[in-house]
Amino acid sequence: GQQLNQSPQSMFIQEGEDVSMNCTSSSIFNTWLWYKQDPGEGPVLLIALYKAGELTSNGRLTAQFGITRKDSFLNISASIPSDVGIYFCAGLWQGAQKLVFGQGTRLTINP
Amino acid sequence: GAVVSQHPSRVICKSGTSVKIECRSLDFQATTMFWYRQFPKQSLMLMATSNEGSKATYEQGVEKDKFLINHASLTLSTLTVTSAHPEDSSFYICSARGTGTGGDGNTIYFGEGSWLTVV
Repeated sequence: GQQLNQSPQSMFIQEGEDVSMNCTSSSIFNTWLWYKQDPGEGPVLLIALYKAGELTSNGRLTAQFGITRKDSFLNISASIPSDVGIYFCAGLWQGAQKLVFGQGTRLTINP
Repeated sequence: GAVVSQHPSRVICKSGTSVKIECRSLDFQATTMFWYRQFPKQSLMLMATSNEGSKATYEQGVEKDKFLINHASLTLSTLTVTSAHPEDSSFYICSARGTGTGGDGNTIYFGEGSWLTVV
């Protein structure tokens, strides 16, 4: 099925470092959602974006809805061990019911 | 945020039997619910979309007679895996979309997932 291009696929960082990941698409979306999934659990919504250019924060997390509506990024500042997991972007386009998912970014943090 | 609950979280069943997984939206009404399957180290694969009171829409390649979906109310959808086989063993996740207009209607929340093991 259709997917967003999410990068990087994996990241290995030191605790305390900042993290940045992004998703791009050839299609225009009107909603971008960022999720985190821990092993063996369902995805948990981190941030939802509804307007082009929107910049939203949730604690140490910041995400932006790209002006072109074809991309979004997620930043994590001052990473901590509990940030480990897989991060997925997902998008909805006008009138669509189904989410389109990125391939996921697997974040590993070295203490 | 909104809460979506799945039950059971883990189930083991014998080959040939059927098993039902429930997905409930606890604090909002969900006109649309989605069922996904996830293989290890992969993204979520959409199986079907269910709208309250109507038949589910299945993705290409998903057998509708094997994976029965019922969305009888605005807060409950069920996935029944019929005549289960070991290859059906997987992590199944549901999600629900709210009925609100504007942004909230475009936010989708996931359940905790259900591990199915067919022996």
